[in-house]
Amino acid sequence: EVQLVESGGGLVQPGGSLRLSCAASGFIFSSYNMNWVRQAPGKGLEWVSYISSSSTTIYYADSVKGRFTISRDNAKNSLYLQLSSLRVEDTAVYYCARLMRVGVMNWFDPWGQGTLVTVSS
Amino acid sequence: QSVLTQPPSASATPGQRVTISCSGSSSNIGSHAVSWYQQLPGTAPKLLIYSNYQRPSGVPDRFSGSKSGTSASLAISGLQSEDEADYYCAAWDDSLNGWVFGGGTKLTVL
Repeated sequence: EVQLVESGGGLVQPGGSLRLSCAASGFIFSSYNMNWVRQAPGKGLEWVSYISSSSTTIYYADSVKGRFTISRDNAKNSLYLQLSSLRVEDTAVYYCARLMRVGVMNWFDPWGQGTLVTVSS
Repeated sequence: QSVLTQPPSASATPGQRVTISCSGSSSNIGSHAVSWYQQLPGTAPKLLIYSNYQRPSGVPDRFSGSKSGTSASLAISGLQSEDEADYYCAAWDDSLNGWVFGGGTKLTVL
């Protein structure tokens, strides 16, 4: 069964840091591009970051550029998101999602269950 | 404000058909495929439609997707109570160099 399990969320003060992890299983992790998507409480989905299968291509949403760092360890089947200089508005459930691609078509499937990050003093 | 525009809410009675729109621009929907996601209360999003109109295995054929120009639509026919959820559209955006989502549509089955 294809599965993604996030961890590492918690309560952190503004300006603080946190590292999220996403453990992948049931598929060849090193063959897939991966993403982080977040959802603030009661709000919609917001794409955060993308990393290619070999880590050669990385993209960030403008809202997190310069503060968040995406990375992966294919030997450990794991995806990471380092959150720094956190702001109250970064409070959200963070999901990791596999990017499926056929030709120029792409979509997110599956999604993990999410991990909650709360930024508050 | 979301780059892709969806109506915040939609409602219909069981058995009816409902359509949810997703409006974008030439840099996203106009140039790239659209996917749709269903988020049941308290759960993670789940893929519903990919490549504009393709259904993953396990998704009932009551769900269908379409795209025309810079807009896309999700249609649900034979509405059931378990379809009550939030629905999101998504596409790659060339101008932003990233994925964009619609603001989500909360579907209520009356």
